[in-house]
Amino acid sequence: GESVGLHLPTLSVQEGDNSIINCAYSNSASDYFIWYKQESGKGPQFIIDIRSNMDKRQGQRVTVLLNKTVKHLSLQIAATQPGDSAVYFCADAFSGTYKYIFGTGTRLKVLA
Amino acid sequence: GAVVSQHPSWVICKSGTSVKIECRSLDFQATTMFWYRQFPKQSLMLMATSNEGSKATYEQGVEKDKFLINHASLTLSTLTVTSAHPEDSSFYICSARGTDDQPQHFGDGTRLSIL
Repeated sequence: GESVGLHLPTLSVQEGDNSIINCAYSNSASDYFIWYKQESGKGPQFIIDIRSNMDKRQGQRVTVLLNKTVKHLSLQIAATQPGDSAVYFCADAFSGTYKYIFGTGTRLKVLA
Repeated sequence: GAVVSQHPSWVICKSGTSVKIECRSLDFQATTMFWYRQFPKQSLMLMATSNEGSKATYEQGVEKDKFLINHASLTLSTLTVTSAHPEDSSFYICSARGTDDQPQHFGDGTRLSIL
């Protein structure tokens, strides 16, 4: 991910709608990508990961899409619920070190 | 599965004291643990990587004598903030992973406030 400073982008979504959270990464050598959810005052919680030999992976209500050409990652959350409200971070890593580079984060607000 | 416990969750202490934070992997053996620092509304910044039985690898700009890391067993790593000062106040988070290709699992962080 790209950590660009103090601004935390916010995405507001109506309950029940789908959410799409985007992330850009800069290291062309990165081949492992992860999404985390962080609630206030807690540590990040693993959501889903994907390796560079795939361009899509699905979990329960979540889908991660990887576009290596433009170094872009997205997290799709289906039927967004109030409990999905949190800050979402992407991270990328190179399998040689598996040291994570975290993105800036996106705050997801679910509107009732 | 993959639970990481961090203790304490909150600590307030006077300037000049040292504070120890523990990170435990409860249901798996963690060959590698990581320590991060997070400022309000910002992302996680890696401070150091800790492998069991060996010296920690610190990121550029992180003082190893200030932030002492010990990884004595496959389930426990500790971070000691020595002679803490107000500028060390932050949210410290640890993570642990089993094998290299497994995702990192995070503790719930320690809010450190130095008066």
